[in-house]
Amino acid sequence: QLQLQESGPGLVKPSETLSLTCIVSGGSISSSSYYWGWIRQPPGKGLEWIGTMYYSGTTYYSPSLKSRVTISVDTSKNQFSLKLSSVTAADTAVYYCARAYSRSWGDWFDPWGQGTLVIVSS
Amino acid sequence: SSELTQDPAVSVALGQTVRITCQGDSLRTFYASWYQQKSGQAPLLVIYGKNNRPSGIPDRFSGSRSGNTASLIISGAQAEDEADYYCHSRDSSDNHVVFGGGTKLTVL
Repeated sequence: QLQLQESGPGLVKPSETLSLTCIVSGGSISSSSYYWGWIRQPPGKGLEWIGTMYYSGTTYYSPSLKSRVTISVDTSKNQFSLKLSSVTAADTAVYYCARAYSRSWGDWFDPWGQGTLVIVSS
Repeated sequence: SSELTQDPAVSVALGQTVRITCQGDSLRTFYASWYQQKSGQAPLLVIYGKNNRPSGIPDRFSGSRSGNTASLIISGAQAEDEADYYCHSRDSSDNHVVFGGGTKLTVL
């Protein structure tokens, strides 16, 4: 059964870069059948898509975050990563990684990691 | 990019049927997927595609679409169904993704 686990610092200073890693176990990140995504949720608010990537490196980013986001993959470690630069308090959120499916008729995320809270504060 | 609109809150009596809706232009092209999120937990996929349930999701959960509106239907709502529900779709103009604002379901 595929499992995803986010890891990274829980506290980041304003203007610095947030870096998170999603470790994939129970399956290969190099499968051509899936994409891999990052989604975040500010405290008390809804879900916000950050970006999605294919194991080959093709990436799609949220227009509102595109200038600050980089998603990359390390197939040798079976993990993928998120970097968000120039963070502010508005970037405080629970960050989730998830496997993404994409078909001609729609997309879905399954499963999700448990999420990791990142607080932006000095 | 497209937007998906959900009612902020819906309530249902125990054992009754409830419909949670999601509106957006992208839903004319793509099916929505639906996620259940209980307090302090990660979202859980409950419906995807035309009307597909992942393994382990009770058959009281179903999905439908009409025009630009997708619906998540819970037939015979149980106390454990009380949660936030989010719809999700691909944007119809590009490969971007959009989530609805979420609906808080209360089971009375």
